[in-house]
Amino acid sequence: DIVMTQSPDSLAVSLGERATINCKSSQSVLNSSNNKNYLAWYQQKPGQPPKLLIYWASTRESGVPDRFSGSGSGTDFTLTISSLQAEDVAVYYCQQYYRIPITFGQGTRLEIK
Amino acid sequence: QVQLQQWGAGLLKPSETLSLTCAVYGGSFSSYYWSWIRQPPGKGLEWIGEINHSGSITYNPSLKSRVTISVDTSKNQFSLKLSSVTAADTAVYYCARGTTLVRLWGQGTLVTVSS
Repeated sequence: DIVMTQSPDSLAVSLGERATINCKSSQSVLNSSNNKNYLAWYQQKPGQPPKLLIYWASTRESGVPDRFSGSGSGTDFTLTISSLQAEDVAVYYCQQYYRIPITFGQGTRLEIK
Repeated sequence: QVQLQQWGAGLLKPSETLSLTCAVYGGSFSSYYWSWIRQPPGKGLEWIGEINHSGSITYNPSLKSRVTISVDTSKNQFSLKLSSVTAADTAVYYCARGTTLVRLWGQGTLVTVSS
């Protein structure tokens, strides 16, 4: 299985400031035939299922605010929230969909400082 | 508006079989793969397996010996059975549309295993 490791486990950021979450995969999730990274980011708020934010490592899902961005390639990825809003308080998960079984990171809890 | 509605027993004893069903309303059933994903309380997400309308199935190897996923295309439903449950199987179980990128989820069912 591809192991996904996120850092940090929790993060407190002031409103309006930048939040950065990292995700590392145990093997590359880059498909060299199409040059796509099979990496997604989800946001989960309490009592709700996860919501897809970003896929192909950097493509924003329709309706997701542009303060959310993804970057990285191969084994190292980053989710950035450029200006934290109160509604962004949640747990964030990275997910690889390059190999079965699909696997997720352990999650990063984002709070307001 | 496509919706997933899931149901099943929420409290089981060790060694019993977990059984959940998910119904798809308002959309195409045959165009997608359908998954089960679980989340232990306060923990991360684990993909259990997937099925499509023709019965093509893939399981997570870590659970394969205990899992059965099935489909009823006449009712636009798919189901999960997990045998010989233990406390470690206590989790919120979600049905979902898709496997690689999940854009639609059921409401989740908390299944607690306790003697």
